[in-house]
This record gives sequence, structure tokens and C-alpha cells, in this order.
Amino acid sequence: GQQLNQSPQSMFIQEGEDVSMNCTSSSIFNTWLWYKQDPGEGPVLLIALYKAGELTSNGRLTAQFGITRKDSFLNISASIPSDVGIYFCAGYGGATNKLIFGTGTLLAVQP
Amino acid sequence: SAVISQKPSRDICQRGTSLTIQCQVDSQVTMMFWYRQQPGQSLTLIATANQGSEATYESGFVIDKFPISRPNLTFSTLTVSNMSPEDSSIYLCSVRTGVSTEAFFGQGTRLTVV
Repeated sequence: GQQLNQSPQSMFIQEGEDVSMNCTSSSIFNTWLWYKQDPGEGPVLLIALYKAGELTSNGRLTAQFGITRKDSFLNISASIPSDVGIYFCAGYGGATNKLIFGTGTLLAVQP
Repeated sequence: SAVISQKPSRDICQRGTSLTIQCQVDSQVTMMFWYRQQPGQSLTLIATANQGSEATYESGFVIDKFPISRPNLTFSTLTVSNMSPEDSSIYLCSVRTGVSTEAFFGQGTRLTVV
């Protein structure tokens, strides 16, 4: 089945630093979604991407839909303590309605 | 986005028993899904809840273990049957509205089986 590999697995950074994480697929995806999950909560949608090459921002977050349609990137600028959480990429591939999730990136921000 | 409420938010259950989780949405949605998130893991799709008909299960999940109902466009239930400690997970309800591919999640039900 389709798999999404997300890297890095975890990041420990200082407040104010920029963060980059990426997600790669073995097959082409039509839509990429990025979520953040706080402890004890469900994932919250951050950014949605629909076209290859698309670059979309949401505040300090910027995500890109890779040209090959097999990858996506999320950048967080000037991190703050409340950015702590697990970030998941997710996407739809082929004709399926099934949303496939990446393995997640744990972000820790030290004040 | 729709407001999604799950009940219960958490429970501790004895092995061999069953638990039914409810998912209520504040507006009609086209699609409802159930996911499982095992400790420290990512989300895995259990099934698509179909209104008025049997749910569509993913590989590795069966109706006898995870019966699902969806009587209308705003409500669904997932039952975890004959529970064992391996069923200890977070169970999440997800919805999509209209033709959008954006999926939204409830807060999850944290299940511990002892």
C-alpha cells in the first residue's frame, strides 16, 4: 500500500529558530495536507495543497507541493513554544478517497 | 469547518468488554471516517462510515471487531468489540464536507484496556 515517509522523526530546537520537515511518497499524490496534533487532541489542519509546485502560507507556516507530486515540505519560521507538537503530512493518491498519513515529526521548542 | 464532538473522550475498560464511541457533527457532512492511532504512532484508517449501509473497512479491520453505524449525515458510532490490551489506542472520527478533500478531526477517544 501507499506509504508516506516523513523526516525528521523529531526535532529539538531553540525558540526563534526556523524549522523544515518533509514528506515523501512512493507514488504520486493529488492533494497534500499538513496537520498539527497537540497532546490529547485530534489533528488540526494547518495547510492544504492542491497543485504541483503550489506554495501556500498560513502565518509563520509555509508548505509546498513538490513538482514531482511525490513530496511536500513544511517550514515554520521563528518558532515559538506553542509550536510544540506532532506534525503530520497526509495526502490522497490516485483515484482513492483514502487519506494516508505520514509517520509524523515531533517538534520540541526550548524557550 | 465542522465542529466534531466525540464521546467519551477517554475510558478505561476491562478486557472482553465492548465500548461504543459516538461522533456528532454540527452540520451535514458527505463523508465520515474512523481512524486508530496506536501509542506513539501515526493515524491508520479503520473504515469509511456509509450512511444507511455497511461501512467500508480497510485491510486488517473487520466488521465483527469494529462495527460501525451511520444512521444520518451528522452522526456515527464505532464499537470496539471484545477488547484486549492491544486495542488500547486513540480512536478518531474524521469528516469531509461537500466536494472538499480537506478532512477535519474530532478530539479523539483515548481507550485503555486492562
